[in-house]
Amino acid sequence: QSVLTQPPSVSGAPGQRVTISCTGSSSNIGAGYDVHWYQHLPGTAPKLLIYGNSNRPSGVPDRFSGSKSGTSASLAITGLQAEDEADYYCQSYDSSLSPWVFGGGTKLTVL
Amino acid sequence: EVQLVESGGGSVQPGGSLRLSCAASGFTVSSNYMSWVRQAPGKGLEWVSIIYSGGSAYYADSVKGRFTISRHNSKNTLYLQMNSLRAEDTAVYYCARAYGVANWFDPWGQGTLVTVSS
Repeated sequence: QSVLTQPPSVSGAPGQRVTISCTGSSSNIGAGYDVHWYQHLPGTAPKLLIYGNSNRPSGVPDRFSGSKSGTSASLAITGLQAEDEADYYCQSYDSSLSPWVFGGGTKLTVL
Repeated sequence: EVQLVESGGGSVQPGGSLRLSCAASGFTVSSNYMSWVRQAPGKGLEWVSIIYSGGSAYYADSVKGRFTISRHNSKNTLYLQMNSLRAEDTAVYYCARAYGVANWFDPWGQGTLVTVSS
């Protein structure tokens, strides 16, 4: 089981808005560590989508946004497009023996 | 262009060994924190190991004592020596640059598949 908890799947129609949650604990997100998000298409390299809770790397559309509060974080995608269909992972740091932690991943389906 | 290319994956019997390579271009491996992350079939991403620019290395509990991360400065390449392999080590292994401690990974390589099976 992953240290960070994500819903296994979310879905939405083209043009709609979806959110993906990432729930941690007092030893990771709640301890003040930042949350980062990745987009992953099977067979390809994972792509950094959001870093430092809410920052977008150059080239990532502003349809993608991130936020963090308490022991949780969220990724929001507005104006859904077919090309957004992928797996999304959150990542943070944990004060434990295996400190770099990921969520279990969320499969986004564009209906 | 900043890029990472993994190689060295393949099929191996339980108890066997394999060495993965990750060739970097566009930046210097030895000046950065470099990491290995894996994804078992049908599972999520799992951090495996990291080596700091100063040379310190850290491992996930699941691989500690069996895997060794290293780098070759003149070849600008990262390695992962995997010994005493188990079926549960079967996964796609990705190398990635880490932006410091507690920070994000970017870029990532395309991954190399390791299958441990008799």
